[in-house]
Amino acid sequence: DAGITQSPRHKVTETGTPVTLRCHQTENHRYMYWYRQDPGHGLRLIHYSYGVKDTDKGEVSDGYSVSRSKTEDFLLTLESATSSQTSVYFCAISDPSTTGTGSSYEQYFGPGTRLTVT
Amino acid sequence: GQNIDQPTEMTATEGAIVQINCTYQTSGFNGLFWYQQHAGEAPTFLSYNVLDGLEEKGRFSSFLSRSKGYSYLLLKELQMKDSASYLCAVDSGAGSYQLTFGKGTKLSVIP
Repeated sequence: DAGITQSPRHKVTETGTPVTLRCHQTENHRYMYWYRQDPGHGLRLIHYSYGVKDTDKGEVSDGYSVSRSKTEDFLLTLESATSSQTSVYFCAISDPSTTGTGSSYEQYFGPGTRLTVT
Repeated sequence: GQNIDQPTEMTATEGAIVQINCTYQTSGFNGLFWYQQHAGEAPTFLSYNVLDGLEEKGRFSSFLSRSKGYSYLLLKELQMKDSASYLCAVDSGAGSYQLTFGKGTKLSVIP
C-alpha cells in the first residue's frame, strides 16, 4: 500500500471557523490531489499540486486554498467553513514519471477525512 | 465540459457475471481508470485502459472503445466481498494527470 496518511480523520467544526486538513506521503510522488466526495456527485477535484510550491485549481476550488512547502505534505485550508463544505475529503498521489509510456499511472488514495460543519 | 455516465445501482447474484458500463464525453482522452470503493473506505485502483480492447486481470476485466466513448468493467464469479461502488475515471488531458470521475455504480451482490 502507498504510504499516505490524512489528518485529522474526523472533524466537527462550526460555520465560519478556519479548518486545515493535512495529507502526508512517504512515496516521494510528485503529484498530489485533493478531492471531496458527496452523495450524488462522486469524487470532485478541489486543487492539485505538480511539485513543491506548484498548485492549481480543480473543478470545485471556491472556498478552498492549498499549500505545498515540501514534497511529502499537501495542506487543504477552508478559510471560513460553511455547511456546504460538509463532506468526505480524500487526498491522492501519483507519479507517472515512474512508469513507462502506455503504462498505468493510477492515483493512490489516502484514508479520507470526514468533515462536518455545523 | 466533461461528462461521464454510469448506472447508479446494480444488483447481481453470487457466482454470476456482471458488466458495469461507463460512457464518456470529454475534451480529450489519455486513459480510463476503474476504481473499487467499499463503503467508508478509500477508492482502490482496479484497471487502466488506454488502447481499444480488453484488459484482463483475474476475475476482473475492463474493455475500452475510444471511438464510441465507452468502457465496461466485467466481474466474473461474483463474491459477496465484491459489493462496493465502482468508479469510472477519465484523464481528459487537462494537465497534471488529472482524473474526472463518474458518480460511481453501487453494486450489491446477493446470495
